[in-house]
Amino acid sequence: ETAVFQTPNYHVTQVGNEVSFNCKQTLGHDTMYWYKQDSKKLLKIMFSYNNKQLIVNETVPRRFSPQSSDKAHLNLRIKSVEPEDSAVYLCASSDNSGNTLYFGEGSRLIVV
Amino acid sequence: GDKVKQSPSALSLQEGTNSALRCNFSIAATTVQWFLQNPRGSLINLFYLVPGTKENGRLKSTFNSKESYSTLHIRDAQLEDSGTYFCAAEAGNMGYKLTFGTGTSLLVDP
Repeated sequence: ETAVFQTPNYHVTQVGNEVSFNCKQTLGHDTMYWYKQDSKKLLKIMFSYNNKQLIVNETVPRRFSPQSSDKAHLNLRIKSVEPEDSAVYLCASSDNSGNTLYFGEGSRLIVV
Repeated sequence: GDKVKQSPSALSLQEGTNSALRCNFSIAATTVQWFLQNPRGSLINLFYLVPGTKENGRLKSTFNSKESYSTLHIRDAQLEDSGTYFCAAEAGNMGYKLTFGTGTSLLVDP
């Protein structure tokens, strides 16, 4: 049963536009993450948040920024999208560092 | 090179048969997780492992930290087992970051 909710599931936009993906988890977890999955299905972490503190940032471009209002929400904002940003963005949560990850269903971004 | 290498990259099985997927690590993995990405795109957690073995129904997974590998055995494969399997390793010095493998695409045929 899904407990990590992402919206929108799919978004098409033009180069230079701003995009936001929302993520909410109902598991009461302390840590949330954003992963990027490229066309080859490779998964790479972008951000993780624990108690509103950014604890991992994998040298992603500065146009990407995580936004969190509370520990149940972690949104991903892309200020000015570029073609290479086309990918599936997956949100996840865990109850502690390194414990079991629970993923959402992903948000597919297509930049034209 | 890849820090977490999965093999095979793709696999086709007849329903009812058995198989094994493997991950080799070039990092000092302390824990391993296995996921199945279903057709909807969601990654479902199958196992969270410290060194040792776990079993859940038709699935069994082993993590050998000394020899830096993990395996996922599928017994009596069913159609719903089809999807992409990922392993992910956490290294002790990498904090909250999991390193994912490249995935094994499994197709179970009737």
